[in-house]
Amino acid sequence: GAGVSQSPSNKVTEKGKDVELRCDPISGHTALYWYRQSLGQGLEFLIYFQGNSAPDKSGLPSDRFSAERTGGSVSTLTIQRTQQEDSAVYLCASSFLGTGGRLSQPQHFGDGTRLSIL
Amino acid sequence: AQKITQTQPGMFVQEKEAVTLDCTYDTSDQSYGLFWYKQPSSGEMIFLIYQGSYDEQNATEGRYSLNFQKARKSANLVISASQLGDSAMYFCAMREDMGRRALTFGSGTRLQVQP
Repeated sequence: GAGVSQSPSNKVTEKGKDVELRCDPISGHTALYWYRQSLGQGLEFLIYFQGNSAPDKSGLPSDRFSAERTGGSVSTLTIQRTQQEDSAVYLCASSFLGTGGRLSQPQHFGDGTRLSIL
Repeated sequence: AQKITQTQPGMFVQEKEAVTLDCTYDTSDQSYGLFWYKQPSSGEMIFLIYQGSYDEQNATEGRYSLNFQKARKSANLVISASQLGDSAMYFCAMREDMGRRALTFGSGTRLQVQP
């Protein structure tokens, strides 16, 4: 399909383990975002990539969280030494901002990865 | 400080009636965009409608329209002729031109459409 693809769709792991979540954005989209949604809550910004610019990491909750985007396309969000409070749905979104970064461009979301820490 | 406030945690509406979901926002930017997303129980986030701060007309997309009152910093979503499939969480979000390009979301409103 042509939408944002995330994998895995579900991940259950033990406290203290590392996890990697993958996001494959819509082809041609220059911007990629990671959000976290805890049960019954709104979305919390984590990190944003735009083209070759340095990522905006201001939403990452701790240094256990990191993300990279390779070749301007696929992104991986890594959580080290997972804690129970990391349990949430992790959503990836992409958009085409281009030069000037048009405000009106909507973000298109993947179906998310549901992460459960035992 | 809360940038996006949705004061209605839950709303009920009868099928075929109209419903308004409230959203107020806080920004010092002159240029910003407001978005509404729908999240059904299946979890995907579906983009519904966009309103730019400089747009003179209220945005409309099919049965969705925005009641945008810039001076009051409100951007309420109006759904006309509600359908059972409209039952979902609805999120208001903002992106500021001078701030980060990610969206800031409200806490959402759960809408239930009753037959």
